Amino acid sequence: GAGVSQSPRYKVTKRGQDVALRCDPISGHVSLYWYRQALGQGPEFLTYFNYEAQQDKSGLPNDRFSAERPEGSISTLTIQRTEQRDSAMYRCASSLEHPGTGVKTQYFGPGTRLLVL
Amino acid sequence: AQKVTQAQTEISVVEKEDVTLDCVYETRDTTYYLFWYKQPPSGELVFLIRRNSFDEQNEISGRYSWNFQKSTSSFNFTITASQVVDSAVYFCALSESSGTYKYIFGTGTRLKVLA
Repeated sequence: GAGVSQSPRYKVTKRGQDVALRCDPISGHVSLYWYRQALGQGPEFLTYFNYEAQQDKSGLPNDRFSAERPEGSISTLTIQRTEQRDSAMYRCASSLEHPGTGVKTQYFGPGTRLLVL
Repeated sequence: AQKVTQAQTEISVVEKEDVTLDCVYETRDTTYYLFWYKQPPSGELVFLIRRNSFDEQNEISGRYSWNFQKSTSSFNFTITASQVVDSAVYFCALSESSGTYKYIFGTGTRLKVLA
């Protein structure tokens, strides 16, 4: 079946512009996660949704970052007034069941590489 | 605090050699999960294995094997008879089950397998 998809795959923007990154999870996966991966580093947690509810946003670096998942499927990560330090790979992952029943395996999308000039 | 350490930044081996990638973790939870992911040059993150803290049995999958030792808080990954296609960055990750479902990743180990 289809895996997690993300769009765009690459995004180049100018400092100060807003960007929206999209994630389409695996069909039937109720949990969705966003991570950011700097060059040479492992992914770092940003935020998590269970269905449409944002359960944890403790990893969002500041209030320029926001995420939504209004219908419990596709999610959008928005970065307002981008800065050069926002340049990174943004990865989305989904898992099958509610984590309350135990940690589930997360399946990752191909990522969106964001470059802020 | 939870933490994952992959001390080996980069490893180079010649094809057909065996190689072990180290992963050391820190957690205060008694129930937790450990994972390995592969990031090939194409950039995607591919799931390899998942282990929970109550299952210390080692696992083998083809040329891949994993050694989980709670006594040393390690979850090492061995590739036997390495191949060029094994060249990638490998990440170890930890997730606690006490309400924190997020993954904590190590910094990764870049494996280069030379022909």
